[in-house]
Parts: sequence; structure tokens; C-alpha cells
Amino acid sequence: DGGITQSPKYLFRKEGQNVTLSCEQNLNHDAMYWYRQDPGQGLRLIYYSQIVNDFQKGDIAEGYSVSREKKESFPLTVTSAQKNPTAFYLCASSLRGQAGNEKLLFGSGTQLSVL
Amino acid sequence: KNQVEQSPQSLIILEGKNCTLQCNYTVSPFSNLRWYKQDTGRGPVSLTIMTFSENTKSNGRYTATLDADTKQSSLHITASQLSDSASYICVVSAQWLGNTPLVFGKGTRLSVIA
Repeated sequence: DGGITQSPKYLFRKEGQNVTLSCEQNLNHDAMYWYRQDPGQGLRLIYYSQIVNDFQKGDIAEGYSVSREKKESFPLTVTSAQKNPTAFYLCASSLRGQAGNEKLLFGSGTQLSVL
Repeated sequence: KNQVEQSPQSLIILEGKNCTLQCNYTVSPFSNLRWYKQDTGRGPVSLTIMTFSENTKSNGRYTATLDADTKQSSLHITASQLSDSASYICVVSAQWLGNTPLVFGKGTRLSVIA
């Protein structure tokens, strides 16, 4: 079955540690995205990528980094520079960019907590 | 400022009853409006996408309406079921030149009880 797989489901980070969240899709989608969701807040865009080896900052990129070495994979690293990393992280993809009527498909999310 | 406001913030209804969730937006220029359902601890799932010319769109017991003149949308759920308990998120897409045109509402938390 085609879909988006995020792992792990739960992740704990120690102070000063970098952690990486995995996102893989087998939908042959060009565009991939990372969102952050805090309780009672709307989703906020961290990074997005429309093509391999290219990505753009979203609204809250500080303290995060990404790579897009393969079309199927778009990992997100939460660095020690992100002082408030506790949140629910969602990866998404679309066939092309978000413009127009492209349907945005989401993964099942990763809950990151700070120890 | 481009914003999407949803109301109510939370809602509790009895199983079998109908309910309507509201979405007001100030996003311009408008491209389309989407409703998503998000179960707790899961990713959002698309219910409907409506463009400027569409007033109503249904997906089973879910019916979304759009009034582009007043910049309002509603999501009506008919004969609610316990499985409808979730957050419902309204998302508006803008016709910007950039590639990050989606503006997300904070969601309405619906609880359906027996």
C-alpha cells in the first residue's frame, strides 16, 4: 500500500542532543513537508522540499535542519539550538507543490519530548 | 494578516445527533479551502477540498459549505458516530507566488458520547 511512514512514533531528547525524525513515502510524490503541531495551535511549516537536493525554510525553521538526498526520504533533525522542541511533528507530501488543488497527505506523526 | 478562525474550540454531542463546525478566514487571494479530520495522536486526513466556485461538497456524512463572499465555511456532520470524535481542521490555500500558501486553523475538538 502507498503511504507516508514516520518513525519513531515517540522520541525523547536529552538536553544538548540532536535527534532525527524519519519520513519515507512510496507515493512517488515530488513535494514533501515538515510541520510542527503544538496543543491548541494550528500546524506550522518548518521546511519543505519540491525536488531532490533542494529544500526551503518554512515559517519556523530555526533550530531544525533537513536533507532530501532521495525522492522518497525527507528526514528532519531537531538540533540542540531548538530550545523548545516538545511537540507533535507531522510529515506530509503532495504530488507537486501545495498550489492549486493538490491533496496533502500526512504521516501518522512523531511525538518528541524533552527529558 | 492571513488567518483562519474556527469555532467552537470544542464541542460535545450525543451519538446520533447532528453538528456544524464553523470556519472564518481572511486569507486572500483565495485558492481553495480544505477540511481535515485528525484523530488523537494521528496525522490529519483530508475530508474535502473546495474551490471558489464550489458551494457544497459532501463526503459520506460530512458536508462542507463555502461562502466565498463572506469568507465562511462550515462542516456539517450528520448522525454522528463515536468514531467522529476527533479534531477538525480548516485549512485555506492562498494564491501566492510562493510555495507555502496553506494557512491552518487551530481546529475544533469534537467529542461524541453515547
